[in-house]
This record gives sequence, structure tokens and C-alpha cells, in this order.
Amino acid sequence: GAGVSQSPSNKVTEKGKDVELRCDPISGHTALYWYRQSLGQGLEFLIYFQGNSAPDKSGLPSDRFSAERTGGSVSTLTIQRTQQEDSAVYLCASSPHLGGAVETQYFGPGTRLLVL
Amino acid sequence: ILNVEQSPQSLHVQEGDSTNFTCSFPSSNFYALHWYRWETAKSPEALFVMTLNGDEKKKGRISATLNTKEGYSYLYIKGSQPEDSATYLCAFSTDKLIFGTGTRLQVFP
Repeated sequence: GAGVSQSPSNKVTEKGKDVELRCDPISGHTALYWYRQSLGQGLEFLIYFQGNSAPDKSGLPSDRFSAERTGGSVSTLTIQRTQQEDSAVYLCASSPHLGGAVETQYFGPGTRLLVL
Repeated sequence: ILNVEQSPQSLHVQEGDSTNFTCSFPSSNFYALHWYRWETAKSPEALFVMTLNGDEKKKGRISATLNTKEGYSYLYIKGSQPEDSATYLCAFSTDKLIFGTGTRLQVFP
């Protein structure tokens, strides 16, 4: 079956502009996660959805970042007034059930964001 | 703040060599440790989920061990091949994954 897909695969934007990144999880997966990897850093947790609710937004770096999930499926990560330090690979992952420590997360290919 | 460390940061080996890398994680409140392989321009791919102290898992030429009491896991690759070239990530699991910075492996023919 289809894996996790993300769009766009690459995005170049100017500082100050807003961007939207999209994630389509594996069909039927309840939990959805957003991570990012900045240059030279490890993968950093951003936000986690259980269905359409986000019980853990602790990783969002500032109030310029927001995310939503609709219909228990597609999720959008929005970055307002982008800054150069937002440049990173943004990865989405999904897992079948309600998350949890032992459940494998299935990752998409990522969106490479470059803020000029 | 939970800290997950991986070493070495990068590794270059010849085809046929065996190799191993280390992941260190907090030994308290342990739930699970995940290993992923991330090839350039592809999605990270799950290798193992390990939960029990002394666990050993194997997938082809790749295996991993787990010591939860001292907080480390080793990943071994036997007879490395060029297609094994990737970044290997470990992640300590609570309700989310806390990743290390990875070990970048390059296998030369």
C-alpha cells in the first residue's frame, strides 16, 4: 500500500513569507507526528496528533509554527513569517494506533525548506 | 532534557568489513529504543524496536543489542555492502521519539 507522502518535496521561500507543508499519512493510521532536522542537528520532535487533536505541541519552536489535522488524515504544518533558522528538512510520520513508545513510526520523504 | 548520543558521528569502511555503532540513552524510565536507517533522498526506514534488557534483534546482516540498565544499544553490520551506506539513527521512546544525531556510514567498494 501507499506510504506516507509529503508535499512539496522542496520549497525555497523568502524570509518573512508564510509556508504550508502537507503530510498524507498511511490510510487508517491514527497517530501523526512532525519532526524537523536542521543542518548538523538530530531529528527534533515538533508536534503529535492523535486523530485530529494535538495532545503534545511541546516541540513547536515558536508561535509562528502551527499545525492542524483534518478528518483524521491529512495534516498541514504552517510556518508564518519564515526566518532563515527555519531552513530544515521537515519530516512527517504516522503510526497505526494511538502512538506509544513501542509502536513503529513510518516516515515520509520529507520537505526540504530553504529560507533565503 | 532527555539526551540521546550516538557514536561515531561518521564511519568509512571497505566493502566486506564488519562494523558497529553505539547509542547511549537515559537508563531511567525506559520504554523502548528504535533504530532507523535513513538513506539520502529517501524516508527513514524502521529497523528495530527493542524493549527488553538483553534483547537482541537481527535483520539479515544487521543486528542490534540492548542494555537498559546501563543505557546503551549497539548496532552491528556484518560484511558491509555499498547499499548499507546511510545514516543510522537511534531514538529513545517516551510518547514521542527522541533521536540521536545519527551515525553516517559510507561503505566503499
